[in-house]
Amino acid sequence: AQKVTQAQTEISVVEKEDVTLDCVYETRDTTYYLFWYKQPPSGELVFLIRRNSFDEQNEISGRYSWNFQKSTSSFNFTITASQVVDSAVYFCALLELNTNAGKSTFGDGTTLTVKP
Amino acid sequence: DAGVTQSPTHLIKTRGQQVTLRCSPKSGHDTVSWYQQALGQGPQFIFQYYEEEERQRGNFPDRFSGHQFPNYSSELNVNALLLGDSALYLCASSLVGSVDEQYFGPGTRLTVT
Repeated sequence: AQKVTQAQTEISVVEKEDVTLDCVYETRDTTYYLFWYKQPPSGELVFLIRRNSFDEQNEISGRYSWNFQKSTSSFNFTITASQVVDSAVYFCALLELNTNAGKSTFGDGTTLTVKP
Repeated sequence: DAGVTQSPTHLIKTRGQQVTLRCSPKSGHDTVSWYQQALGQGPQFIFQYYEEEERQRGNFPDRFSGHQFPNYSSELNVNALLLGDSALYLCASSLVGSVDEQYFGPGTRLTVT
């Protein structure tokens, strides 16, 4: 069965520190997508990045970077030079296209607090 | 181009009552999914609607039901409310052929007392 694990419940850093959020997933599907979302206190889920199972190329976008490794079923997310505005709950999600098309499975989130 | 909208924003109900939540998908989208997010947890998939039919369902009891209208908007109904139904209810829309491009609404926060 599909599963997403975010082992870090809470992380606290000081502004300008780098921080990595971990995500480990389980799936039997060969075709799937992985996502990272940010949820500020307002509650709306803000899409950050999407990666499909055939694209292990890591990416850097501004202060954000992602490390996708199928061999370890991990999809980690790094914020470089963190800012107070990065404080939010971050969710990793899995979408299987063959067995559960359209049904996203979320981890329980990591609460990131960036202190000034 | 309006994104996904949900109404109401907040709602307070009493145990045993029934509630209806509404969602309008992003313009051009034809598929609507509903998620329940309890405090401190990730969103849990409730069900998905396409062409006015329920396509997939998560592990939720029959008290949770839905509907999709010809204009693709959707309703989530919950009967016989329990305290445990208190949560943020999120609606997401997509195109049937692009389920990986899912847009979420701001959610409806339901409190059951």
